[in-house]
Amino acid sequence: EAGVTQSPTHLIKTRGQQATLRCSPISGHTSVYWYQQALGLGLQFLLWYDEGEERNRGNFPPRFSGRQFPNYSSELNVNALELEDSALYLCASSPGTGGRETQYFGPGTRLLVL
Amino acid sequence: AQTVTQSQPEMSVQEAETVTLSCTYDTSESDYYLFWYKQPPSRQMILVIRQEAYKQQNATENRFSVNFQKAAKSFSLKISDSQLGDAAMYFCAYRSARSGTYKYIFGTGTRLKVLA
Repeated sequence: EAGVTQSPTHLIKTRGQQATLRCSPISGHTSVYWYQQALGLGLQFLLWYDEGEERNRGNFPPRFSGRQFPNYSSELNVNALELEDSALYLCASSPGTGGRETQYFGPGTRLLVL
Repeated sequence: AQTVTQSQPEMSVQEAETVTLSCTYDTSESDYYLFWYKQPPSRQMILVIRQEAYKQQNATENRFSVNFQKAAKSFSLKISDSQLGDAAMYFCAYRSARSGTYKYIFGTGTRLKVLA
């Protein structure tokens, strides 16, 4: 069974540009979560999508947004990029919202903002 | 708000020896889950072990076991017979079981080095 996949693996942008990151969950999983892992820090929760809707949002500005498609894949968009947005962005998926499912992580997208 | 603290930024262990990674957390909730994740240099975050707060028995998974002390809000990970492949960043994570709150709260991680 394929795990969570993310693309691209690396992304280089300049300040002010927009970045789009993609995630495909494990087959059968309906929930997708996005996290930011800045250098030296733990994972910070960004967004949670389930059944196409945004269910929860972390303490990030509105320029961080995303969506979930009918096939449960997801996209994270970061507008007006700032240097401090440079980080590893991890996507995770879980079977649903029963409250007891474990999240499984993808390999991440390394975003570098110059 | 819940918090997770990993006070050991880095640990070293000799191959075949045992090492314990510490994690403490703060919460006012009674029902929650605790996790240890491993992130090798390849970056893929892998679930190591999971503990339900309502279970008194400590979770074990082969060479990995936890010491869950609910009253003390402590959740340490013991790795027995350490192997070179255990070298990685280890993250402790908390998740509330409360409906509608499914985000994970992660500690800052402990880098484990395994010495040959």
